[in-house]
Amino acid sequence: NAGVMQNPRHLVRRRGQEARLRCSPMKGHSHVYWYRQLPEEGLKFMVYLQKENIIDESGMPKERFSAEFPKEGPSILRIQQVVRGDSAAYFCASSPPGQGVRIVQPQHFGDGTRLSIL
Amino acid sequence: EDQVTQSPEALRLQEGESSSLNCSYTVSGLRGLFWYRQDPGKGPEFLFTLYSAGEEKEKERLKATLTKKESFLHITAPKPEDSATYLCAVLTGGTSYGKLTFGQGTILTVHP
Repeated sequence: NAGVMQNPRHLVRRRGQEARLRCSPMKGHSHVYWYRQLPEEGLKFMVYLQKENIIDESGMPKERFSAEFPKEGPSILRIQQVVRGDSAAYFCASSPPGQGVRIVQPQHFGDGTRLSIL
Repeated sequence: EDQVTQSPEALRLQEGESSSLNCSYTVSGLRGLFWYRQDPGKGPEFLFTLYSAGEEKEKERLKATLTKKESFLHITAPKPEDSATYLCAVLTGGTSYGKLTFGQGTILTVHP
């Protein structure tokens, strides 16, 4: 069962380093979403992408964070110059192409990347 | 701003003791309400989509219902393997895609 694949599962970085999180959507899915789950908090939306396009980045911090979903390869969430407050679980989700505006496609999640900042 | 509130925060049940989890929402233009289950160290697992008031969906011991202001997840005769965090999320706006707004979740523990 090829679900949403995220890697690495765990990532440790020192303050000031860069973190790259990868997400391969389910086969046939063309919509990718990134969410962040801070300790003791709920899931918060970060960004929604389709191939080569950022559709909604309203949840992305203005600085240090970027995301891409290239024509070939996985979606990447990049965090530059990480700080302690970036420690969290980052989840990627994907959904298939639409079947008409009346059908809402559920998002299917990967098991996340746990980012720890030393 | 869309708001989703789940209650209770935590629920302990004995095996076989039926109960309900609540998800209340304040949104503009609900497109869909979703229920997910999340096990420790895992990502949310999709359970149900509900579109409009009065709708019900069932899967094994779980039944989800929707009104104009809230949704309930009913658990009938739960088993220990039903222990997990249950998340409610809403999609709003004019499209079939986009950001989900999640509640904080209900941590369900079922004792044998």
